[in-house]
Amino acid sequence: LAKTTQPISMDSYEGQEVNITCSHNNIATNDYITWYQQFPSQGPRFIIQGYKTKVTNEVASLFIPADRKSSTLSLPRVSLSDTAVYYCLVANNNAGNMLTFGGGTRLMVKP
Amino acid sequence: DGGITQSPKYLFRKEGQNVTLSCEQNLNHDAMYWYRQDPGQGLRLIYYSQIVNDFQKGDIAEGYSVSREKKESFPLTVTSAQKNPTAFYLCASSSLTGANSPLHFGNGTRLTVT
Repeated sequence: LAKTTQPISMDSYEGQEVNITCSHNNIATNDYITWYQQFPSQGPRFIIQGYKTKVTNEVASLFIPADRKSSTLSLPRVSLSDTAVYYCLVANNNAGNMLTFGGGTRLMVKP
Repeated sequence: DGGITQSPKYLFRKEGQNVTLSCEQNLNHDAMYWYRQDPGQGLRLIYYSQIVNDFQKGDIAEGYSVSREKKESFPLTVTSAQKNPTAFYLCASSSLTGANSPLHFGNGTRLTVT
């Protein structure tokens, strides 16, 4: 299972774009990159997932370079309600592997 | 509404007692997982199951036990052998079809042992 490294915390202001990078140097060929958001005392929820290049949905974009050794979650124009912990998970969920999360990035959005 | 239900939300027990946390899903997912989260920390995998009547240990299985008698249910027992059982426990499930199915989490059970 690919080990991931993320910044422990980040600060931003309302309306700014936030980019959170995850390093995963030993990503396997079949691994996908999935990002989750967690609010206090709640379970994490799925944000976005990708395998290569760029993926965009209604809440975020995910940029994955050609070597796939890192990925960047981009949150456009954050608001106070985006204050949360963001986890990057690199795995193939369907392969019967243990799905081990890293420590996540604690994002604080200020007014 | 489809989803994962964990109950109860808060649970209090005396030291030395076993306690079972409930996790039920109606998403028809094959795989289910149990994670433990301590304050300010990430999620650590306790046990997971890919199919009924089969399960595997995660990173921190000592002091815990599980069963998977039905596809919808994956109860976790915190035994008296668990040295520091007070934590936030999260259950998740995922489908094993498709390219890579994301995890769906419940809202957790906060266990306090005194």
